[in-house]
Amino acid sequence: DAGVIQSPRHEVTEMGQEVTLRCKPISGHNSLFWYRQTMMRGLELLIYFNNNVPIDDSGMPEDRFSAKMPNASFSTLKIQPSEPRDSAVYFCASSGSGRDNEQFFGPGTRLTVL
Amino acid sequence: TQLLEQSPQFLSIQEGENLTVYCNSSSVFSSLQWYRQEPGEGPVLLVTVVTGGEVKKLKRLTFQFGDARKDSSLHITAAQPGDTGLYLCAGVGNKLVFGAGTILRVKS
Repeated sequence: DAGVIQSPRHEVTEMGQEVTLRCKPISGHNSLFWYRQTMMRGLELLIYFNNNVPIDDSGMPEDRFSAKMPNASFSTLKIQPSEPRDSAVYFCASSGSGRDNEQFFGPGTRLTVL
Repeated sequence: TQLLEQSPQFLSIQEGENLTVYCNSSSVFSSLQWYRQEPGEGPVLLVTVVTGGEVKKLKRLTFQFGDARKDSSLHITAAQPGDTGLYLCAGVGNKLVFGAGTILRVKS
């Protein structure tokens, strides 16, 4: 199994531009999570989906952030317009229905907004 | 809001030393997980503790869940340079709540 796949691995953009981060969860997993990690705030949950339906988006910072999961094998996190304070590493994770609720994380996308 | 506090934030030790990392909360969790994250990668699950007072061992790593299921500790015996990384605890509820993490550096 290839694990959770994220793209791009690195993104450098200018303030005001639209940024789209992509995630392919592990096949068969029914939950998908988007996290943001910074030195100041640690690992924060932004939103999670269960069976492609958004369950909790209370961690989404503001309306500039949106996430979609059109099918079980693909999700996007979009920032429009981007700001320098959005610079962070964004992780996607997926989990199945196992007892331990283990989440499998992707390698992350390092976003830099200039 | 459920919060998890980890201590210490940073730890730099020599190879062969022992260390303990703590994870504390005022909230009760159904279970608690410990993850390890290396630079440029996502966190990887080490262990899940479920029962109050539970102790789990993973080679040189010993994990303990507090009796009240509000706190946990990770003890590493004879640390190795390969143990270097960010250690995160996470409380399991309807979603994971992560602590800020402990950065461990083991020098050879």
